[in-house]
Amino acid sequence: KAGVTQTPRYLIKTRGQQVTLSCSPISGHRSVSWYQQTPGQGLQFLFEYFSETQRNKGNFPGRFSGRQFSNSRSEMNVSTLELGDSALYLCASSWGPSSGANVLTFGAGSRLTVL
Amino acid sequence: QQQVKQSPQSLIVQKGGISIINCAYENTAFDYFPWYQQFPGKGPALLIAIRPDVSEKKEGRFTISFNKSAKQFSLHIMDSQPGDSATYFCAASRGGGSQGNLIFGKGTKLSVKP
Repeated sequence: KAGVTQTPRYLIKTRGQQVTLSCSPISGHRSVSWYQQTPGQGLQFLFEYFSETQRNKGNFPGRFSGRQFSNSRSEMNVSTLELGDSALYLCASSWGPSSGANVLTFGAGSRLTVL
Repeated sequence: QQQVKQSPQSLIVQKGGISIINCAYENTAFDYFPWYQQFPGKGPALLIAIRPDVSEKKEGRFTISFNKSAKQFSLHIMDSQPGDSATYFCAASRGGGSQGNLIFGKGTKLSVKP
């Protein structure tokens, strides 16, 4: 059974550019969450999608956005990149909110470097 | 505002010893407390989780102890092995774990020396 797949794994951008990251959840999983991981702040919740609807959103500026498609695949976008956006962006999938304790399965992440 | 505080930041333990990582939370609405293990180059993986209606949960060498009145919980790794060397994160959420918005501690880097 394939795990959570994130693409690209590594990317380098310059300030002011925008970036789109992709996440393919485990087959059958309908919920996708995104997290930002940095050495200083640790793991911080960005947003959660279920059935193409955003269920929860973390405390990040509007430059960070996401969406989920009908096949549960998800993308997140960061516009007008800043140096501080350099981080590992992690996607996690799960069955969904009706399944009790929602075990999140994380992908390996997309490492973004902003120069 | 950090809602889940984790300590220590790093931990060195001899093979066969006990590793103990502590977490404290502030929000009494939290009702699901998982621990995640992360190896370099990998995403975090669920290790063990507990709800506040029990004071302890054990899975193999890993045990969570939970103190609801003190708003604290801890991970104990018995007979620590070099393969346990990783970064460990505690987390908390509301909704019995039905939501994907976990609040994570800042992590503990565990090194188990042979």
